[in-house]
Amino acid sequence: DIQLTQSPSFLSASVGDRVTITCRASQGVRSFLAWYQQKPGKAPKLLIFAASTLQTGVPSRFSGSGSGTEFTLTISSLQPEDFATYYCQQLDSYPVLTFGGGTKVEIK
Amino acid sequence: EVQLVESGGGLVQPGGSLRLSCAASGFTVSSSYMSWVRQAPGKGLEWVSVIYSRGSTFYAASVEGRFTISRDNSKNTMYLQMNSLRAEDTAVYYCARDSTYYDILTAFYNHDGFDIWGQGTMVTVSS
Repeated sequence: DIQLTQSPSFLSASVGDRVTITCRASQGVRSFLAWYQQKPGKAPKLLIFAASTLQTGVPSRFSGSGSGTEFTLTISSLQPEDFATYYCQQLDSYPVLTFGGGTKVEIK
Repeated sequence: EVQLVESGGGLVQPGGSLRLSCAASGFTVSSSYMSWVRQAPGKGLEWVSVIYSRGSTFYAASVEGRFTISRDNSKNTMYLQMNSLRAEDTAVYYCARDSTYYDILTAFYNHDGFDIWGQGTMVTVSS
């Protein structure tokens, strides 16, 4: 199975900061990578698919990039509602669609 | 409205069984790839099982042989039958739609992520 390693696992940031989260795959996943946001007690929400395509309704301050084994999720200007945990997921190697370990973004 | 609603979670003793349901509205379960994903308390997301539109089923190694995924097309509902439950199966279980589709123009499958999620149902395995 493909392993996904997210870094950092935790970050503390302020409103207005630019935040970058990295996801590294143990083998190439082409551009079949998605990012999710999860708030406490809620289901995950799809933010980005195909590494860089924004899901409908997701604010443009979110962006994704990368291909192969290294990917990034960037929030250009952190807003109060963005404090959450973020997960990457590979969708290249079916059927086992692994998730990264998560990155918790907290208020500094 | 497009949505998924899970039910069936609860407290069960080790070795016991439970069946989770995932009722869909606004789209057809049998035309979609549908997965179960779980999240143990304080932990990350773990993919558990999938049923493809053509009916093939697959499982994570941790549940293979104990869990069975199925669907009832007449009820537009997916199920997860969980047998021989263990303490480590304790988690919130989510059902999710995989938005994979076949692009006729490119002759490729597009894997666009899990776009619809249920609210989750808690399963606790404890004596």
